[in-house]
Amino acid sequence: AQKVTQAQTEISVVEKEDVTLDCVYETRDTTYYLFWYKQPPSGELVFLIRRNSFDEQNEISGRYSWNFQKSTSSFNFTITASQVVDSAVYFCALSEVDTGRRALTFGSGTRLQVQP
Amino acid sequence: DARVTQTPRHKVTEMGQEVTMRCQPILGHNTVFWYRQTMMQGLELLAYFRNRAPLDDSGMPKDRFSAEMPDATLATLKIQPSEPRDSAVYFCASGLVGDGGQPQHFGDGTRLSIL
Repeated sequence: AQKVTQAQTEISVVEKEDVTLDCVYETRDTTYYLFWYKQPPSGELVFLIRRNSFDEQNEISGRYSWNFQKSTSSFNFTITASQVVDSAVYFCALSEVDTGRRALTFGSGTRLQVQP
Repeated sequence: DARVTQTPRHKVTEMGQEVTMRCQPILGHNTVFWYRQTMMQGLELLAYFRNRAPLDDSGMPKDRFSAEMPDATLATLKIQPSEPRDSAVYFCASGLVGDGGQPQHFGDGTRLSIL
């Protein structure tokens, strides 16, 4: 069965520090997608990035970067030079293609607090 | 930007009452999902539809919950009768799911409180 684990429940950093959020997943599918979503205090879920299982290239978007490693079933997310506006709960999620289960399986989330 | 629209945003009602939550997916999206978020269980799937047909409702308590898509622009989630344990935030999401792994776009949620 599919599973997503975010072992870090809460992380607190001071502004301008770099922070990495960990995500480990389990799936039997060979084709799948991994996602990161952000949930700010206002409560909405905001899509950040999608990565498919055949694309292990790391990606950088501004202060955000993602490290996908199939060998360790991990899809970690790094925020460089964190800002107070980054304070939110971040969810990693998995969508399976082979089994046709396109619904997202979410991790339990990591609450990031960035202190000024 | 196109958005998923959910109504109502907040709902407070007494135990035993019927609750109906509505969702307008993004035009052109072929898949609609209902998720529930609670402190204890996190984000969990309740049901989803593709091209208006239900594909998976295994996460939904069948005796009191029902989900439908009367047309391509409306999805509904009903609880009857409601119970205090149904208090949660209910999210609707839509996507264009084929082989492209398109992301799901979420509505702002309905915050439900059952007294």
